[in-house]
Order: sequence, then C-alpha cells, then structure tokens
Amino acid sequence: DSGVTQTPKHLITATGQRVTLRCSPRSGDLSVYWYQQSLDQGLQFLIHYYNGEERAKGNILERFSAQQFPDLHSELNLSSLELGDSALYFCASSVATRSGGARDTQYFGPGTRLTVL
Amino acid sequence: GIQVEQSPPDLILQEGANSTLRCNFSDSVNNLQWFHQNPWGQLINLFYIPSGTKQNGRLSATTVATERYSLLYISSSQTTDSGVYFCAQLRAEGGSEKLVFGKGTKLTVNP
Repeated sequence: DSGVTQTPKHLITATGQRVTLRCSPRSGDLSVYWYQQSLDQGLQFLIHYYNGEERAKGNILERFSAQQFPDLHSELNLSSLELGDSALYFCASSVATRSGGARDTQYFGPGTRLTVL
Repeated sequence: GIQVEQSPPDLILQEGANSTLRCNFSDSVNNLQWFHQNPWGQLINLFYIPSGTKQNGRLSATTVATERYSLLYISSSQTTDSGVYFCAQLRAEGGSEKLVFGKGTKLTVNP
C-alpha cells in the first residue's frame, strides 16, 4: 500500500458526460501529480499541484481540469467525455518539489479505470 | 525532451529463470524509478535509483548514470512477477517535476 488513495476504482459513463476523480496523497506529501495511462499513449503526465497551486501542465486536454484543496486532496475533472478518454488515471504524491534525495520519489495510487461508452 | 527506452518489449520466462530488463535514457539522471504494474493495474514502486546498485529480495537494480542506462535484474522468477515493468526518469523544470515513462517491458512468467 503506497498510502495514496483514489476513488472511485472504476467508472463507467457515456460520451458527453462529466466525471470527477478524487485523490488523497500520502500523509505529509504536498505535491500531487496526475497521470493518464492509455493503450496508445502509454503513461503520460497530466498536471502537477503543489500545496494548492498548479505547478506544471503536461498533455492535458482543455476539457480536463484539476484542483488541490486546502486539505491537500486533489480532484481531476473530465468533461465532454469522448471514447478516447477511456484510460487508467493515476494520482501520485511526493513530499515536495525540487527537493533532493529520496524525497523526490513519487508514490502512486491504485488508479481509477474510466470507461467511456 | 527526455527519452526513455526500454528493452525488450516482451519477455516470456519459465518459473525459476533469471532475467535482465534494460532502460536507456537520453538525459542526465536526476531520479530514476522502476515500477511493476501488476495484472490488476496497480503501479508498485520497486526502486528509486539515480545511480549505483540496490537490492530488494530477488530484485536488484543498477544505474550507470554516466552511460545513461539502468538495469533491473529478476532472479528465480515467480509467476507473481508477471506484469509490466516500467522505468521512469524525473524531469524537473520551472519548480515542477514530472516522471517520463518508458513504454515498459511486459514480463510473463509461466509455471
């Protein structure tokens, strides 16, 4: 158990709908990262939040947004869903940004498997 | 940008065999991690190894940062070792960090 929790584990929805994925980081971790794993694109970085602030965006669609709340949990919102959004969405956490040593290790949650029909 | 390449893409072993998985990366290493994705999709941290050698039970990893590669050794493989092994390199820029993943090595261990 990595200490990172994600809900729900599975989500099945229809095209055009909107869903929210939730992540709680490990106790003490200030950074939350979201990654998407799809069959054709592999594991790709979406977005990084540090202590409530957005720090970096990767290959994240405009239909997707995220936020990190004062209690440090994070939500990834996916809207106007398309078939191609079906994927495994991972959240990861680490202690801080730009810190040295083992504290940079990112620990991954169990993922949310999204199926868009 | 950072490129992470893994080989082989697929590997089939009989239980008890040993194997070596390779990860080549294009940039100097800040942080290199090895993960195992089990058949249920969970990503499990194996090693954080920017340089040197580490061992954990039947698994060990070596990173030679000057030559930009890392190796994951699995000895006396078991069926539970099946899954996909990923290496990922940390890319740090502008106050942020992200992991850049290779495409993985799919390992199948047959009884």
